[in-house]
Amino acid sequence: QSALTQPPSASGSPGQSVTISCTGTSSDVGGYNYVSWYQQHPGKAPKLMIYEVSKRPSGVPDRFSGSKSGNTASLTVSGLQAEDEADYYCFSYAGSNNPPFGTGTEVTVL
Amino acid sequence: QVQLVQSGSELKKPGASVKVSCKASGYTFTSYPMNWVRQAPGQGLEWMGWIDTNTGNPTYAQGFTGRFVFSLDTSVSTAYLQISSLKAEDTAVYYCARDGAVTTFDYWGQGTLVTVSS
Repeated sequence: QSALTQPPSASGSPGQSVTISCTGTSSDVGGYNYVSWYQQHPGKAPKLMIYEVSKRPSGVPDRFSGSKSGNTASLTVSGLQAEDEADYYCFSYAGSNNPPFGTGTEVTVL
Repeated sequence: QVQLVQSGSELKKPGASVKVSCKASGYTFTSYPMNWVRQAPGQGLEWMGWIDTNTGNPTYAQGFTGRFVFSLDTSVSTAYLQISSLKAEDTAVYYCARDGAVTTFDYWGQGTLVTVSS
């Protein structure tokens, strides 16, 4: 399975916004509205932040939002806070193929 | 509340086998598929496959066939991952994750570190 492509790192100052891209193909990201995003702090299990491209589970702040255009999905974190510093991974349904995770993005709050 | 509790860390020698457990509580175990995800040290997440908790039918990702086996004991709401003929490159944290919707992992276990070293 080929991993979805994410930038290795992203950063922003507190209160600013940061957007992370997740690029796949028409066989995964572009073909289905089943992209999810996960936040992982060091030494912890991943946590679901966004599902089905843009839906937020209960308890996730509305500072987190998701979108998709063509083969690229995006996660935006608005009003950055210190606790948002973590690794973020996207994941996409891929039909009969093995669904891939993204390569991961380390978000730093400056 | 939904919880997935995994078994503790394991230290194994090359060639040995290991069985990781994932005990679910707070929901009907057979209503949601269970996935397994691997994370090697300092690396990203890798989807290993999933098991239908209704039928017990497993699906393995490419690269996780042959030595990896998913199983269930529905009487105790527990999923298992067994890895045989362990290699050093199997050293990783293994997570179970409930599939709450289509490839939406809404609850995760705390992870089990498997270390393979002579």
